[in-house]
Amino acid sequence: EPEVTQTPSHQVTQMGQEVILRCVPISNHLYFYWYRQILGQKVEFLVSFYNNEISEKSEIFDDQFSVERPDGSNFTLKIRSTKLEDSAMYFCASSYGDRGHSPLHFGNGTRLTVT
Amino acid sequence: QKEVEQNSGPLSVPEGAIASLNCTYSDRVSQSFFWYRQYSGKSPELIMSIYSNGDKEDGRFTAQLNKASQYVSLLIRDSQPSDSATYLCAVNRLANQAGTALIFGKGTTLSVSS
Repeated sequence: EPEVTQTPSHQVTQMGQEVILRCVPISNHLYFYWYRQILGQKVEFLVSFYNNEISEKSEIFDDQFSVERPDGSNFTLKIRSTKLEDSAMYFCASSYGDRGHSPLHFGNGTRLTVT
Repeated sequence: QKEVEQNSGPLSVPEGAIASLNCTYSDRVSQSFFWYRQYSGKSPELIMSIYSNGDKEDGRFTAQLNKASQYVSLLIRDSQPSDSATYLCAVNRLANQAGTALIFGKGTTLSVSS
């Protein structure tokens, strides 16, 4: 079964550094998402992306964050100048499209630790 | 502020029993509702989706939706130790959720003892 893949599985960075989290969505999916989950907290929506532009973003997704689909397969989340509170599990997800009900498929996540 | 509320638990049931998980949501216009299972340190895994009032059954799982009461539930029959996980309720304001935010509850931890 096709799956969403995320790399790396664990990223450790120092406060103030930039990190790029990478995702390969399922190949025929059109919508891409980033969610995060701080340890012990709820899964929180960050951003959705369709047709090479952001379709929706949350209050969390401020100027520190950006997303990009640099080629036909990868979808990236960049966090500039990381803060301690950015430490979380970051999940990429994808869904097929805009007809009918199209559930999200989540990747296994990248655990980001900011020290 | 759109909220999805769940009892954090833990909910403890013996093997073979029925586990009942509940969820309420604040946004009255919500259209699609989901139950995800999340094992510790893993990603959410979709178990059930429901869009219309009433019951929807899939194997040992039954989702129930009452839009008037803004209430969603998940019943797990014949609970197994492998069902021990955190169950996340998630809600979307659209029937077709593509490209839009899924709002999650904090989850209910279920423990099934053998």
